[in-house]
Amino acid sequence: SQTIHQWPATLVQPVGSPLSLECTVEGTSNPNLYWYRQAAGRGLQLLFYSVGIGQISSEVPQNLSASRPQDRQFILSSKKLLLSDSGFYLCAWRRNSASEQFFGPGTRLTVL
Amino acid sequence: AQSVTQPDIHITVSEGASLELRCNYSYGATPYLFWYVQSPGQGLQLLLKYFSGDTLVQGIKGFEAEFKRSQSSFNLRKPSVHWSDAAEYFCAVGAKNDMRFGAGTRLTVKP
Repeated sequence: SQTIHQWPATLVQPVGSPLSLECTVEGTSNPNLYWYRQAAGRGLQLLFYSVGIGQISSEVPQNLSASRPQDRQFILSSKKLLLSDSGFYLCAWRRNSASEQFFGPGTRLTVL
Repeated sequence: AQSVTQPDIHITVSEGASLELRCNYSYGATPYLFWYVQSPGQGLQLLLKYFSGDTLVQGIKGFEAEFKRSQSSFNLRKPSVHWSDAAEYFCAVGAKNDMRFGAGTRLTVKP
């Protein structure tokens, strides 16, 4: 069976510090991978998606970036965090464009 | 580009009452449609999905949804709500490589 992991589960960072959130998927190959952000009481905002190693599509211009160094690894980064980067970050995977998404447990990021 | 609208931000129902959560989508072709549920501080869990065929789909936890092409809708229903159904519900439309989610409907269940 497939599983998706995210870490850390919670993170408190000062403004201006760097960020690295990691997502890994097990039990499948060549998945489509996604990063979403969910602000408090808000819906899901698609940040990035990837259909293969090194292939990243950005949905919203901001100070975040994503990378996919391995087939089942998806990393969300920032060089300098802003207060507005606080939120709940969700990683998801999908077999292909005709299937459902499966979500990880999320990372709660608080920027102070 | 596809989009999803969930008109109701917050709904309160009594335990045992029926439930209908609304979802409207915008997409040029027949989309793939989904309903997810999210408990506080958790990831999203898939309730049900529609790809093609029978327009009434059954999901987990007693939920069902009906795809109505003429109304561009995919409403979620449950005949009798349980207190454990209190959560946030998201409708989503998938096409090509991305998925778009509605803003969500928060469900409160009164005892």
